[in-house]
Amino acid sequence: KAGVTQTPRYLIKTRGQQVTLSCSPISGHRSVSWYQQTPGQGLQFLFEYFSETQRNKGNFPGRFSGRQFSNSRSEMNVSTLELGDSALYLCASSLEWTYGYTFGSGTRLTVV
Amino acid sequence: GQQLNQSPQSMFIQEGEDVSMNCTSSSIFNTWLWYKQDPGEGPVLLIALYKAGELTSNGRLTAQFGITRKDSFLNISASIPSDVGIYFCAGPPRGGGADGLTFGKGTHLIIQP
Repeated sequence: KAGVTQTPRYLIKTRGQQVTLSCSPISGHRSVSWYQQTPGQGLQFLFEYFSETQRNKGNFPGRFSGRQFSNSRSEMNVSTLELGDSALYLCASSLEWTYGYTFGSGTRLTVV
Repeated sequence: GQQLNQSPQSMFIQEGEDVSMNCTSSSIFNTWLWYKQDPGEGPVLLIALYKAGELTSNGRLTAQFGITRKDSFLNISASIPSDVGIYFCAGPPRGGGADGLTFGKGTHLIIQP
């Protein structure tokens, strides 16, 4: 059974650019969540999608957005990149969010 | 928002030793999750706890859901080199909400040969 797949694994972008990260959940999982992980702040919740609808959103600026497609695949977008956006972005999928997510390996974004 | 405090922040132990770590909160959690993260990878779910007082094992790992619902403990018996990594506790906000899973800052486990 394939796990959660995130692409790309590594990305280097310049300040001011925008970036799109992709996540394919485990087959049958309709809930997809995104987290940002940094050494200083740890793991922080970005947003959650269920059946193409954003159900929850964390405390991040509007530059961070996402969407989910009918096949449950999800993308997140960060516009006008800042140096502080450098982080490991993790996607997680679940059948039911209260039972624990399965995380992907993440996309390491470096903003220079 | 809700915060989870993990301790210790790091542990330096010898192979074969038992490990104990805990997670506390000022708020009640109805579910406690323990994850392990290896370098360059995403967190992997180790144990999920759903009921106050519950004690659950997964191989050499044992976790407990505190009676007050404000804490949880993870024990690892007879540590081996592959236990090295960062252990996180996490939980969903009570009754759902806008914050997703709340994670602790993690306990770094380092095993000295």
